[in-house]
Amino acid sequence: QVTLRESGPALVKPTQTLTLTCSFSGFSLNTGGMCVSWIRQPPGKALEWLARIDWDDDKFYSTSLKTRLTISKDTSKNQVVLTMTNMDPVDTATYYCARISPNAAMANDYWGQGTLVTVSS
Amino acid sequence: QSALTQPPSASGSPGQSVSISCTGTSSDVGGYNYVSWYQQHPGKAPKLIIYEVSERPSGVPDRFSGSKSGNTASLTVSGLQAEDEADYFCSSYAGSNNFDVFGGGTKLTVL
Repeated sequence: QVTLRESGPALVKPTQTLTLTCSFSGFSLNTGGMCVSWIRQPPGKALEWLARIDWDDDKFYSTSLKTRLTISKDTSKNQVVLTMTNMDPVDTATYYCARISPNAAMANDYWGQGTLVTVSS
Repeated sequence: QSALTQPPSASGSPGQSVSISCTGTSSDVGGYNYVSWYQQHPGKAPKLIIYEVSERPSGVPDRFSGSKSGNTASLTVSGLQAEDEADYFCSSYAGSNNFDVFGGGTKLTVL
């Protein structure tokens, strides 16, 4: 059974750095073709792709946010970590991690429940 | 403004069919057969219902179908049921500089 769970602070102040952890089970990021993405959704708005890390440690970032994002993985812990620097109130959103597998190319087939991050002083 | 354009709302009566469009460009929808559709109920995580334009994951009813023509993809829900009332988002691969682009979402109402 594939599960993903996001964790991190619910509230951050402007200019602070956000660190989110995606803990997963039911698959391994050592397996060829497996990837984990981060996607966010501001309240009442559309989804926005942020970053992705692949089984071979390739990393990809949203063009508009790449200067602020870092994605990494710890395969021994089955975790993927996303950091976002210089947080702003417009970054208030629910942040999801999701899996991409060879079974459904370029599609996020399993998602975590999401974690709401509010940016406010 | 989202990269892909979807109608904000759609509706149909139980048993009817409804289609939702998703319009992009030759750099995303038109350039790759990697269009996905997600269903999202209020307060819940998105659920993959269509991938690679028209493929259904295991467990997704065949009432859900996808297609593409040029720069526009479509999701069709046949035999509408009350539980189909949700938000639907499309997404497309858009190259290695911006992997996933999403539509603004369509709220489907079952009348």
